Amino acid sequence: DSGVTQTPKHLITATGQRVTLRCSPRSGDLSVYWYQQSLDQGLQFLIQYYNGEERAKGNILERFSAQQFPDLHSELNLSSLELGDSALYFCASSEREGSRGRETQYFGPGTRLLVL
Amino acid sequence: SQQGEEDPQALSIQEGENATMNCSYKTSINNLQWYRQNSGRGLVHLILIRSNEREKHSGRLRVTLDTSKKSSSLLITASRAADTASYFCATDYGNKLVFGAGTILRVKS
Repeated sequence: DSGVTQTPKHLITATGQRVTLRCSPRSGDLSVYWYQQSLDQGLQFLIQYYNGEERAKGNILERFSAQQFPDLHSELNLSSLELGDSALYFCASSEREGSRGRETQYFGPGTRLLVL
Repeated sequence: SQQGEEDPQALSIQEGENATMNCSYKTSINNLQWYRQNSGRGLVHLILIRSNEREKHSGRLRVTLDTSKKSSSLLITASRAADTASYFCATDYGNKLVFGAGTILRVKS
């Protein structure tokens, strides 16, 4: 158990809908990262928050947004969902800002999203 | 395109044999990490090697780094069925950690 929790574990929804994925980092970790994993794209970095502020951005679509709250939990909002958004969404956390790849990231169990 | 690429894509070995996976990357790095992912689960950190290190050990794992060739290898010795998983290298790229496509390792008992 990494100490990172994600809810829900599974989510089935329809195209055009909006969903919110939630992540609680390990106790004491200030950074939260979001990743999308699909068969065709592999593991793609979406976005990172550090102590409430956006720190780095990856291949995140404009339909997707995220935020980190004062208690350090984070939410990833996916809107106008398309079939291609079906994937595993992982949250990870690290103690500090994780620059230069020098920190271990601790991954949650993921949320499996299926868009029908 | 990926910063890190693993090779081979898939590897099948017998229990007790050694498994070697390779990772190549494109730009200079500060650190390289290896992670393991059991089917459909979250990634688990295995080892981090810094750019000024050439080799690192952790239990049955041995990681090497050759910055001149922009490559790293992960060796798992005396493999076990429980080592069956996907293995990813991750390199720093700007402020981000970029993961390769992974090597699927299957250890047959």
